[in-house]
Amino acid sequence: LAKTTQPISMDSYEGQEVNITCSHNNIATNDYITWYQQFPSQGPRFIIQGYKTKVTNEVASLFIPADRKSSTLSLPRVSLSDTAVYYCLVAGVYNFNKFYFGSGTKLNVKP
Amino acid sequence: ETGVTQSPTHLIKTRGQQVTLRCSSQSGHNTVSWYQQALGQGPQFIFQYYREEENGRGNFPPRFSGLQFPNYSSELNVNALELDDSALYLCASSPRENRDTQYFGPGTRLTVL
Repeated sequence: LAKTTQPISMDSYEGQEVNITCSHNNIATNDYITWYQQFPSQGPRFIIQGYKTKVTNEVASLFIPADRKSSTLSLPRVSLSDTAVYYCLVAGVYNFNKFYFGSGTKLNVKP
Repeated sequence: ETGVTQSPTHLIKTRGQQVTLRCSSQSGHNTVSWYQQALGQGPQFIFQYYREEENGRGNFPPRFSGLQFPNYSSELNVNALELDDSALYLCASSPRENRDTQYFGPGTRLTVL
């Protein structure tokens, strides 16, 4: 079971870049790393997914070092609407892993 | 393209009752996973269905059961409800071409009195 560790909370200001790091020391070979955003009383929203190195899409970047024991979600120029809980999920269906979300990181963006 | 939908939105039951929650997966998705999210906590994996069979289960008792239908929609059944079953129940579906990616529905808020 690939457990993850994230900071409980982070503060930022509008327009800043935010980096949230997740530790996953026992990641398995076939596991992918996926980040989700969740607003209160809503389902998690897919942000980005990667296996190794760097992945970028229109909303975020994901940095994964060679050993894959951690990953960093980078949100460029955050706004107030980015205030949410961010979860790092490490799992892979082909290993029949159990999907473990952890407690997530509460990001608070201030004006 | 329609995303993952869940019904009902909210539900109130009493201890000992049984409940059925429903999920319609996104078009082109053949894998469905169910999660329980208590207030202030991250989602906890209940089980996953792939091709109408259970394909992985978390640490939940047998009174949590499920089904997947030929159209890939799914049900979560919980028997003998307990107060601690009060939570947001989330359904997520995964596409055939990338079953490692999950897309979540809005959830069903279950309150057990």
